[in-house]
Order: sequence, then structure tokens, then C-alpha cells
Amino acid sequence: DSGVTQTPKHLITATGQRVTLRCSPRSGDLSVYWYQQSLDQGLQFLIQYYNGEERAKGNILERFSAQQFPDLHSELNLSSLELGDSALYFCASSPSGTGGTEAFFGQGTRLTVV
Amino acid sequence: AQKVTQAQTEISVVEKEDVTLDCVYETRDTTYYLFWYKQPPSGELVFLIRRNSFDEQNEISGRYSWNFQKSTSSFNFTITASQVVDSAVYFCALSGNNAGGTSYGKLTFGQGTILTVHP
Repeated sequence: DSGVTQTPKHLITATGQRVTLRCSPRSGDLSVYWYQQSLDQGLQFLIQYYNGEERAKGNILERFSAQQFPDLHSELNLSSLELGDSALYFCASSPSGTGGTEAFFGQGTRLTVV
Repeated sequence: AQKVTQAQTEISVVEKEDVTLDCVYETRDTTYYLFWYKQPPSGELVFLIRRNSFDEQNEISGRYSWNFQKSTSSFNFTITASQVVDSAVYFCALSGNNAGGTSYGKLTFGQGTILTVHP
């Protein structure tokens, strides 16, 4: 158990809908990352937050947004969903936001858009 | 831009064989970090190792060993006497400490190598 909790584990929704994925980082970790894993794109970095502020952005679509709350949990919001958004979404956390610390991953949320 | 290449898409071995997973990386950062993660069939990503760019010492942990060679930009992973439980997808990843801030902590992953160990 990595200590990172993601909910829900599975989500099935229709095209055009909006969903929210939730992540609770490991105790003491200030940085949260979101990654998307799909068959065609592999594991792609979406966005990073550190202590409530956005730190870095990857190839995150404009239809996607995220935030980190004062209690350090994070949410990833996906809207106007398309079939191609079906993927495994991972949250990871690390103590600092720097490259030298390992990130621990949650079990992921498997999103299926039908 | 950072890039990680895992040329082996799939490897199949018989139990007790040794197997090496290759990883080649590209980065312009002078300080960077290399990682290996394991993704078993259950789907979670499990951290295995982190290596700093300024430390080329090889590391051994039980049946696992890692060979970091800066001269060839490679960070290969060897499993000795493989077991069925080693069957998983293995990812090599890279992060840097770019002063511009855009690469702080984020991991660039390779495409992964699917390892199947047969009994």
C-alpha cells in the first residue's frame, strides 16, 4: 500500500458528461501529480500541484482541470468527456515538488467513457 | 525535451532465467533522476529505485540490480533468477531539476516493457 488513496476505482460514464476524480496524498506529502495512462499514449504527465499551487503542467486538455485543497487532497475534473478520454488516471504524491524525490502512486481510477 | 526509450516492448522468459530490461534516456538537464517502476497485473505503479545523475554506482537489491552508465545514457535493470511473480510491465522514468521550474518532479516515462515469466 503506497499510502495514496484514489476514488473511485472505476467509473463508467457517457460522452459529454463531467466527472471528478479524487486523490488523498500520503501523510506529509505536499506535492500531488496527475498522470493519464492509455494504450496509445502510454503514461503521460498531466499536472502537478505543490502545497495548493499549480507547479507544472503537461499535455492536459482544456476540458480537464485540477486543484489541490488546503488539506492537500486533490481533484481532477474532466468535462465534455469523449471516448478517447477512457484511460487509467493515476495520482501520485511526494514530499517535495522536486525531481529528486520518488513519487508514490495510487491504485488509479479506471475511467470508461461510453 | 526529455525522452525515455524502452526498446523492448515484450520479453518472455522461463522461470530462473536472468533478464535485462533496457532503458535509454535523453535530457539536457545537468542534474536529473532516473527511476524504475513496476506495474503488476493488478494495475498499481510500484516504485523500485531512484538514481541520481551524479551517482553512477550500480545497485543491487536482492534479485534486482541496476546498471547506470552516463556515457551511454542508459539505466538498465536486471532481474536474476526470474520468478513468475516478476511478471509485470516495467517502466523506466526520468525527472529533472530544471531551474525554469517546468520539469520539477514530473516524470517522463518510457513506453514500458511487458515481462512474462513462464513457470
